[in-house]
Amino acid sequence: NAGVTQTPKFRVLKTGQSMTLLCAQDMNHEYMYWYRQDPGMGLRLIHYSVGEGTTAKGEVPDGYNVSRLKKQNFLLGLESAAPSQTSVYFCASIRSQTTGELFFGEGSRLTVL
Amino acid sequence: TQLLEQSPQFLSIQEGENLTVYCNSSSVFSSLQWYRQEPGEGPVLLVTVVTGGEVKKLKRLTFQFGDARKDSSLHITAAQPGDTGLYLCAGVGSNYKLTFGKGTLLTVNP
Repeated sequence: NAGVTQTPKFRVLKTGQSMTLLCAQDMNHEYMYWYRQDPGMGLRLIHYSVGEGTTAKGEVPDGYNVSRLKKQNFLLGLESAAPSQTSVYFCASIRSQTTGELFFGEGSRLTVL
Repeated sequence: TQLLEQSPQFLSIQEGENLTVYCNSSSVFSSLQWYRQEPGEGPVLLVTVVTGGEVKKLKRLTFQFGDARKDSSLHITAAQPGDTGLYLCAGVGSNYKLTFGKGTLLTVNP
């Protein structure tokens, strides 16, 4: 999964703190996505971007903000973290617009106390 | 809201057994994908099915897309411990947004 890099891999926050997750891809992909994965819930789409300078809401956007200032980077921000945001976050980019195959990063595990 | 239901949620079998995982949708997707995820890693695409009635084979894995494009199945023949993992089906929507099922956690015991 060297093409999509997420930082940090692990983070512990206190309720109310803010943080930013960085996703970087070096494959010149247009479309990028942020998903969260919770036990028994599968992956749910938070926000996505169809190109540099664009962002859109997914299924569970509340409490998160995103930015895509550069094509290769997609940032996910938590302004005031809540325990309900404890999750594993995955960034992905479209590998092929023909097949719609997503190429995922390795995930970022966030714990909010 | 489009939903994908996977069954079973958990499956524990012995090496050499066959198994089938099901994925059922409340609506039609343009295509459906199956991913496999190992602990500590992101999901990796196994296959994309597009046409109703389509059958694709990937070594010991057989994927089928229902005629109405609302359901799919994954069949594994002679399962091996290396098949252990979380299997996810996902429907492809507009802008390639994926709707995932909750997953089937497969354990193949040696």
